[in-house]
Amino acid sequence: GENVEQHPSTLSVQEGDSAVIKCTYSDSASNYFPWYKQELGKRPQLIIDIRSNVGEKKDQRIAVTLNKTAKHFSLHITETQPEDSAVYFCAAGVQGAQKLVFGQGTRLTINP
Amino acid sequence: DSGVTQTPKHLITATGQRVTLRCSPRSGDLSVYWYQQSLDQGLQFLIQYYNGEERAKGNILERFSAQQFPDLHSELNLSSLELGDSALYFCASSVGAGGSYETQYFGPGTRLLVL
Repeated sequence: GENVEQHPSTLSVQEGDSAVIKCTYSDSASNYFPWYKQELGKRPQLIIDIRSNVGEKKDQRIAVTLNKTAKHFSLHITETQPEDSAVYFCAAGVQGAQKLVFGQGTRLTINP
Repeated sequence: DSGVTQTPKHLITATGQRVTLRCSPRSGDLSVYWYQQSLDQGLQFLIQYYNGEERAKGNILERFSAQQFPDLHSELNLSSLELGDSALYFCASSVGAGGSYETQYFGPGTRLLVL
């Protein structure tokens, strides 16, 4: 079955700098890659997603890139702000497989 | 607010007991998914229902069961509870049966503590 590895598990950056979180997946049939942000004690919130017919997608300070050949995708956050501090989860899904497989999460801390 | 509601928010019970968690999907969504999140852990997929029928199963224990009712709300039943079942339980919903290819919107979760 699908396996998703997420790195790093913790990341600390200075406010204003960029943060990058990477995920690799095992199933070459995976074609949907969402990213969720989860603040302490709260629900995961979708922040951006990408489908396999697209190599990059951007939404203001957040971007996701996908390399299907290498089977990895990354979340890029630019001009980080204190409110970006949270746990970020990547996931991979295969159409028809009926489930998303999540990475283990990255705890991002933005230092003022 | 995602539009997905879950009750109760918190639940404290004893080992060996049985509890029921409830989830109402977003208006118009036909699929409901249940996830378990233990302390500092990722999201473990338990089960998916689509329009009243079980659609996909993950790592759900035999002591756990779920169902989706005609009004599309879902209940997750946890029985013979053990200390290790203490976790956050999330439900999510999506518009169709696409499962992994559809955007899933999460509810606020139920925090279960088994003493």
